[in-house]
Amino acid sequence: EIVLTQSPGTLSLSPGESATLSCRASQSVSSNYLAWYQQRPGQAPRLLIYGASNRATGIPARFSGSGSGTDFTLTISRLEPEDFAVYYCQQSGTSLTFGPGTKVDIK
Amino acid sequence: QVQLQESGPGLLKPSETLSLNCTVSGDSISSDYWNWIRQPAGKGLEWIGRIYPSGSTNYNPSLKGRVTMSVDTSKNQFSLNLRSVTAADTAVYYCARDEGGFWPRMDHWGQGILVTVSS
Repeated sequence: EIVLTQSPGTLSLSPGESATLSCRASQSVSSNYLAWYQQRPGQAPRLLIYGASNRATGIPARFSGSGSGTDFTLTISRLEPEDFAVYYCQQSGTSLTFGPGTKVDIK
Repeated sequence: QVQLQESGPGLLKPSETLSLNCTVSGDSISSDYWNWIRQPAGKGLEWIGRIYPSGSTNYNPSLKGRVTMSVDTSKNQFSLNLRSVTAADTAVYYCARDEGGFWPRMDHWGQGILVTVSS
């Protein structure tokens, strides 16, 4: 099983700041099998990024993804109030696993 | 517009079988891949399994042996059965579509249904 580790566990930032979230895999993941999701309280997860760097339909340009192999990053530039949420990375190259999540909360 | 809606009992007793349906609108159940994911209160997401248009399935190894998924094309819905539930199976259960292909991703999710296992 591929284990995904996300860091930090919690990121405390102010609106307008940028956020950098890390996702590390226990073994190499092909980039096309790496996705990121956002989950706001009481809501279902929402697809943000697929194929490591492709924004899903309707996702603002302030969200970007990068990385390859075992290290992937989600960057949110200029945080908006609605961006304070939990973010999960997910791989589907070998079976399917989610990371434990990074909570972005308001400082 | 693709929409998914979970349905089923919200309360079960230990040792019973959890049975949930996911009804799909705006897309054919005969295409794409269909997933179940769950989330215990205050915790992260756990993938349960996936069913393909062919009817073949992949399950999370940690649940294998207790999980069965199936598709009903006449109702455009797919189902989850989880046997011998315990309190550890208490969670919000989501269904989700994955378009598959070169860039697999779960791009549409149901709103989730809370299932509680309690005596």
